[in-house]
Amino acid sequence: DGGITQSPKYLFRKEGQNVTLSCEQNLNHDAMYWYRQDPGQGLRLIYYSQIVNDFQKGDIAEGYSVSREKKESFPLTVTSAQKNPTAFYLCASSIVGQGLGYTFGSGTRLTVV
Amino acid sequence: ELKVEQNPLFLSMQEGKNYTIYCNYSTTSDRLYWYRQDPGKSLESLFVLLSNGAVKQEGRLMASLDTKARLSTLHITAAVHDLSATYFCAVVQGAQKLVFGQGTRLTINP
Repeated sequence: DGGITQSPKYLFRKEGQNVTLSCEQNLNHDAMYWYRQDPGQGLRLIYYSQIVNDFQKGDIAEGYSVSREKKESFPLTVTSAQKNPTAFYLCASSIVGQGLGYTFGSGTRLTVV
Repeated sequence: ELKVEQNPLFLSMQEGKNYTIYCNYSTTSDRLYWYRQDPGKSLESLFVLLSNGAVKQEGRLMASLDTKARLSTLHITAAVHDLSATYFCAVVQGAQKLVFGQGTRLTINP
């Protein structure tokens, strides 16, 4: 079955550490996105990529980095520069130009300990 | 900058009642999406509205889009407990970016 797989489901980070969240899709979608969700709030865009080897900052990119070396994969690194990383992170993908909306992964809940 | 606002943000209602969630957005867009999120879960796509006057229905939920008024509504008919969730609208900005509303947390009581 086609879909988006995020791993791990839960992640704990010590202060000062970098951590990488995985996002893989087998939908053959061109575009991929990372969103952050804080408790009781909406989703805010971190980074997005419409083609391989290219990506753009979203609204809250500071303290995060991404790569897009393969169409299927769009990992997100939460760096030590991100001062408040505890949140729920959602990856999504879409076909560019078709207006069919996004398909979301199941999410990764990151907690700083 | 595109802003998307939903109201109400919290809604508690009884089973069997009808209610409407509103989604206003600040700049022109002809694509609007509704999603459902259960606690601790991901987002589930409900409706894709692609043109002015579009109306979609699925079970007890009906969504509509008025691009001239920059307004979408999600109407709940004869609510049942299973519809308790948080509902988000989202509007396309530029080529592909989705901007989300704050979400409406809906609680349906027996």
